[in-house]
Amino acid sequence: AQTVTQSQPEMSVQEAETVTLSCTYDTSESNYYLFWYKQPPSRQMILVIRQEAYKQQNATENRFSVNFQKAAKSFSLKISDSQLGDTAMYFCAFLQGGSEKLVFGKGTKLTVNP
Amino acid sequence: DAGVIQSPRHEVTEMGQEVTLRCKPISGHNSLFWYRQTMMRGLELLIYFNNNVPIDDSGMPEDRFSAKMPNASFSTLKIQPSEPRDSAVYFCASSFRRLAGAGFRFGPGTRLTVL
Repeated sequence: AQTVTQSQPEMSVQEAETVTLSCTYDTSESNYYLFWYKQPPSRQMILVIRQEAYKQQNATENRFSVNFQKAAKSFSLKISDSQLGDTAMYFCAFLQGGSEKLVFGKGTKLTVNP
Repeated sequence: DAGVIQSPRHEVTEMGQEVTLRCKPISGHNSLFWYRQTMMRGLELLIYFNNNVPIDDSGMPEDRFSAKMPNASFSTLKIQPSEPRDSAVYFCASSFRRLAGAGFRFGPGTRLTVL
């Protein structure tokens, strides 16, 4: 079974600085998708960014970008110019191609300090 | 779109009572998922449906839990009888099956407290 590991339970960053959240996963498959979800205190799960395994180019969404290292099975999230509204839990998630069972990591609690 | 709609947002009940959580997926989505979130176990998939048919219920913890999807726009998750260890946030999510790689849309969740 696929597993997703987020090794940083908590992180903090100063407003306007850059922070990187780590995620590793374990799979023997070659076709899959990776996601980062944000869960602010409102508890709404919000999709931040997604990556298709067969694409070598790292995904970018405004201030959010990923560093996808397929061989190392690593999928880190970089948040640039951190804002107070980025304070949230961040979950890394894995979806095997052809499957619908989205597997989540335990999450990283990010606090952006003013 | 209105997003995935869940009700109630909060539910407080006493042990032994029946609890019913409700979900309306995004119109046009044909896959629906029920997740449970706790501090100890994180986000767990309980059950999911394709075209109103249950596909995988291996995550349902016990026979006390049941889920139905009578039509494409409505699903329920029922706990009978409820126990304090069922206290958690329950999320409903939906997607269009062939575009699962685009990501799932989650509802706002129901926070369940069983006293």
